[in-house]
Amino acid sequence: GPKVLQIPSHQIIDMGQMVTLNCDPVSNHLYFYWYKQILGQQMEFLVNFYNGKVMEKSKLFKDQFSVERPDGSYFTLKIQPTALEDSAVYFCASSLLGVYAEQFFGPGTRLTVL
Amino acid sequence: GEQVEQRPPHLSVREGDSAFIICTYTDSATAYFYWYKQEPGAGLQLLMSVFSNVDRKEEQGLTVLLNKKDKRLSLNLTAAHPGDSAVYFCAVSVKGGSAKLIFGEGTKLTVSS
Repeated sequence: GPKVLQIPSHQIIDMGQMVTLNCDPVSNHLYFYWYKQILGQQMEFLVNFYNGKVMEKSKLFKDQFSVERPDGSYFTLKIQPTALEDSAVYFCASSLLGVYAEQFFGPGTRLTVL
Repeated sequence: GEQVEQRPPHLSVREGDSAFIICTYTDSATAYFYWYKQEPGAGLQLLMSVFSNVDRKEEQGLTVLLNKKDKRLSLNLTAAHPGDSAVYFCAVSVKGGSAKLIFGEGTKLTVSS
């Protein structure tokens, strides 16, 4: 079936550095999402994105976070600067339509901030 | 905002037995309900989705029940086999919202042969 890819699978960085997480969504999908899962906890919504704009963001989506998808390339999540509490697995998802459409998830990027 | 609770956090069954997982939610505007399966190192795989106008849905050994009065969603795997071992998540989204999913905490299911 359709696959969402995430690059890299693991990333270790020092606190204060910038990191960009990349998502290659399903090719004809129009809606894009980032979710965050801290080890042992539930997955939480960060942000969704459609037509070049953020539709909704949660309180976890701090000012240091930004998303973009320039020219139909990767859908990216940038964190600048990173903090210790940003350590988590970040999952990207995409869907063809909005509400009630199946969201296809990538395998996640494990981010460790030291 | 919407809160979703899922239990049990861990479930061990023998091959051939049923596995039952339950979620409760708080927002009566919740309209879309999902069950996902996550295997190690993989993304979430959608198992089933239901609208709020559905009380029961069965597909390929899975039964989803929705009790809107009690705000309860359940998943029953009949005749579980070792390949069903994974973490299962319920998720919901609210009608008229932005399609964000709100997840339960997950249930780690182990099926022994």
